[in-house]
Amino acid sequence: QVQLVESGGGVVQPGGSLRLPCAASGFTFSTYGMHWVRQAPGKGLEWVAYIGYDGGNKYYADSVKGRFTISRDNSKNTLYLQMNSLRAEDTAVYYCVRGMYYMDVWGKGTTVTVSS
Amino acid sequence: DVVMTQSPLSLPVTLGQPASISCTSSQSLVHSDGNTYLHWFQQRPGQSPRRLIYKVSNRDSGVPDRFSGSGSGTDFTLKISRVEAEDVGVYYCIQGTHWPPWTFGQGTKVEIK
Repeated sequence: QVQLVESGGGVVQPGGSLRLPCAASGFTFSTYGMHWVRQAPGKGLEWVAYIGYDGGNKYYADSVKGRFTISRDNSKNTLYLQMNSLRAEDTAVYYCVRGMYYMDVWGKGTTVTVSS
Repeated sequence: DVVMTQSPLSLPVTLGQPASISCTSSQSLVHSDGNTYLHWFQQRPGQSPRRLIYKVSNRDSGVPDRFSGSGSGTDFTLKISRVEAEDVGVYYCIQGTHWPPWTFGQGTKVEIK
């Protein structure tokens, strides 16, 4: 079945880095644009970044621009989010989401906590 | 950026009674291709979001027919005809017409009275 599985979350100090992979299965990954969306504790959903099906187009929320990088490896059916210069306000559950217009499939998320 | 405004933010409902959530966008969500990319998601406690309705009024596979979506332009509504206990959670509208950024409503918490 169609599935997205995020991993790589954990506790990191302010200013630190983390890379989140998202493994896709059950569909032709290379034909879909993909998003990262996050949810801070007790808060709503916030779009973080988008990458086109071939990696050619990338967009970022202003809150992460210059610090986060979205990428993908279609040969490995994997989406990535490289997070640098992490701040306390980046603490959230990070979801991998399929589809540029439709956002139809979501992973279960991985938790990132930025704390000293 | 397109601002999505939901109301109410909290919705206590009696089991078996209807519920309605409004979502208003700061500009029309009609895309140049003629589609309106306004979707509704449900997030049950402790779970990831699940899409219920796509392009205003199309129910996703497996979604009970007590859920319906309507609207056009800037005003949209999600209705639950008869609320069941499993409907408890937070509901979000999301627009995918004008991006970046893709933007979400603040969320409406549905609870049982």
